[in-house]
Amino acid sequence: NAGVTQTPKFQVLKTGQSMTLQCAQDMNHEYMSWYRQDPGMGLRLIHYSVGAGITDQGEVPNGYNVSRSTTEDFPLRLLSAAPSQTSVYFCASSYSRASGNTIYFGEGSWLTVV
Amino acid sequence: AQSVTQLDSQVPVFEEAPVELRCNYSSSVSVYLFWYVQYPNQGLQLLLKYLSGSTLVKGINGFEAEFNKSQTSFHLRKPSVHISDTAEYFCAVSAWDNFNKFYFGSGTKLNVKP
Repeated sequence: NAGVTQTPKFQVLKTGQSMTLQCAQDMNHEYMSWYRQDPGMGLRLIHYSVGAGITDQGEVPNGYNVSRSTTEDFPLRLLSAAPSQTSVYFCASSYSRASGNTIYFGEGSWLTVV
Repeated sequence: AQSVTQLDSQVPVFEEAPVELRCNYSSSVSVYLFWYVQYPNQGLQLLLKYLSGSTLVKGINGFEAEFNKSQTSFHLRKPSVHISDTAEYFCAVSAWDNFNKFYFGSGTKLNVKP
């Protein structure tokens, strides 16, 4: 089972460059989200989506854009990368209509901005 | 909103010894509680979750956690740890009225020594 697939796994960007982190899930989950993980800070929610065409901001949305044109895909865009965006990024999905859902995580994307 | 505090950033323990990883949460509404484990360079996997009912919850790999509403705690325990339990553990909470939005603690690194 593929589950949640993220690409790329590793990326180095120069300050000011743009890029897109891809995320796809094959579980027909309605809810998808992006987190960033920084040392000593746990996971912080960047953006989330409760279904195709619907997105909303999380705790740390600045500098990131998202869209949800299909149920399966939820890309995260960095429009002008900054060193403060150096982090590990996790995409996650869950079945949104039941309480107490389990979130399924991708394996992470390590991003370094120099 | 909800918040989660994991009191210990690192917990060293010898193999076959018992361990407790502490988690406290803050919320003005009823919550669902989760523990996730992250092995090096991987995404997060669900260990166990509390939704309702019995306050003692058993999870995978011999872990269990106890929900204490009066102390707003959800501590994770294992009676005898193995080297393979070395990982980072995250406590998370979601609210009953917004159960797709998860808040994570900063994580506890469990280091099991031979």
